[in-house]
Amino acid sequence: GQQVMQIPQYQHVQEGEDFTTYCNSSTTLSNIQWYKQRPGGHPVFLIQLVKSGEVKKQKRLTFQFGEAKKNSSLHITATQTTDVGTYFCAGTPLGNTDKLIFGTGTRLQVFP
Amino acid sequence: NAGVTQTPKFRILKIGQSMTLQCTQDMNHNYMYWYRQDPGMGLKLIYYSVGAGITDKGEVPNGYNVSRSTTEDFPLRLELAAPSQTSVYFCASSFSTGIGGYTFGSGTRLTVV
Repeated sequence: GQQVMQIPQYQHVQEGEDFTTYCNSSTTLSNIQWYKQRPGGHPVFLIQLVKSGEVKKQKRLTFQFGEAKKNSSLHITATQTTDVGTYFCAGTPLGNTDKLIFGTGTRLQVFP
Repeated sequence: NAGVTQTPKFRILKIGQSMTLQCTQDMNHNYMYWYRQDPGMGLKLIYYSVGAGITDKGEVPNGYNVSRSTTEDFPLRLELAAPSQTSVYFCASSFSTGIGGYTFGSGTRLTVV
């Protein structure tokens, strides 16, 4: 079946360090979305990327969609303790637009 | 706007009991979804609906049922609860899967003992 994997599964960083999570799909995607889930909370939509090679920025967060539309990355510059949580990518498979396939998630812990 | 509202927030069930998890949204979204999230894990799709009167199975539908009689409501029914159904259940809605993102409810934490 269609799968979306993320690496790493866990990442512990010192506050101020950078962080990157990678998302890889087994199939070509029509779009990729990113969500953040704080501990004990619910997923919150961050951004959507649609175009091949697209790059979007939100303050310290940079999102990228691969040229082949099968992978994506989220990079956080100079992490803060408020960045703590689990980051999920989620993709819509090309030709199957009824639902998102969520990635396995990357849990980020930031030490002050 | 309340967004997506889920009730109850917490529930403890005994094995074999049944219950309905309620989900309602006020954004006039056609698409609605039920996910479960086991501790430290990702989201698994249980059922989804692309509009009133239309429902379809996700990855893990066994032991659950849904209905979608109105655009606003998408209840999830658990019949004969089992310990394997201990999880956090999230309802979500969206305008579509290609535009914007999902709006999630705050979740129902269910324990089956």
